[in-house]
Amino acid sequence: QLVESGGGLAQPGGSLRLSCAASGFRFSSYDMNWVRRAPGKGLEGLSYISTGGSTIYYADSVKGRFTVSRDNAKNSLYLQMYSLRVEDTAVYYCARRGGSGYYFDYWGHGTLVTVSS
Amino acid sequence: SYELTQPPSVSVSPGQTASITCSGDKLGDKYAHWYQQKPGQSPVVVIYQDERRPSGIPERFSGSNSGNTATLTISGTQAMDEADYYCQAWVTNTAVFGGGTKLTVL
Repeated sequence: QLVESGGGLAQPGGSLRLSCAASGFRFSSYDMNWVRRAPGKGLEGLSYISTGGSTIYYADSVKGRFTVSRDNAKNSLYLQMYSLRVEDTAVYYCARRGGSGYYFDYWGHGTLVTVSS
Repeated sequence: SYELTQPPSVSVSPGQTASITCSGDKLGDKYAHWYQQKPGQSPVVVIYQDERRPSGIPERFSGSNSGNTATLTISGTQAMDEADYYCQAWVTNTAVFGGGTKLTVL
């Protein structure tokens, strides 16, 4: 199970920190990702972090503004978001990359981030 | 950057076959995965590794991937299949999604 938290209302230029609590599987054995869906738009892969946190990738849209991290001892994934923009308004999902071919086999329920003045 | 292109919408009558395409440069050299998302719900994988169906996904869902195009096929489409569908592939360690296709079952 994956449970996101930390969403809410933020002002443009502000920051938020999202968390994703994992349970029911060995969290430290899986690469993890953040994916979002903005209103009226499709899914967008935002970031990837390897099992130990040594390999990290970001989508160009958030590079330099968002930071992904994980704490395997706490079975938790994080997304620190800075310099938020109106266009960052979206439902943010954490997703486990697992299975043959590395598809997203488990998703959280999502947490809504609204960026507005 | 790598792009995956899907038709914005596909309409199908109940019981008929729906096909949703996903195009990308040499997509056939990568694995394509397909997700279904219904309003207010999280995405669910319906096809992974081009053509494999997870347990619990009905047999009417099938997939293929060759050349530059991956295709999701839903045979005997049911009203419950009405949803948004997304293809996805990996480029290095970046998850690339298609723009999504809204499947309407008329």
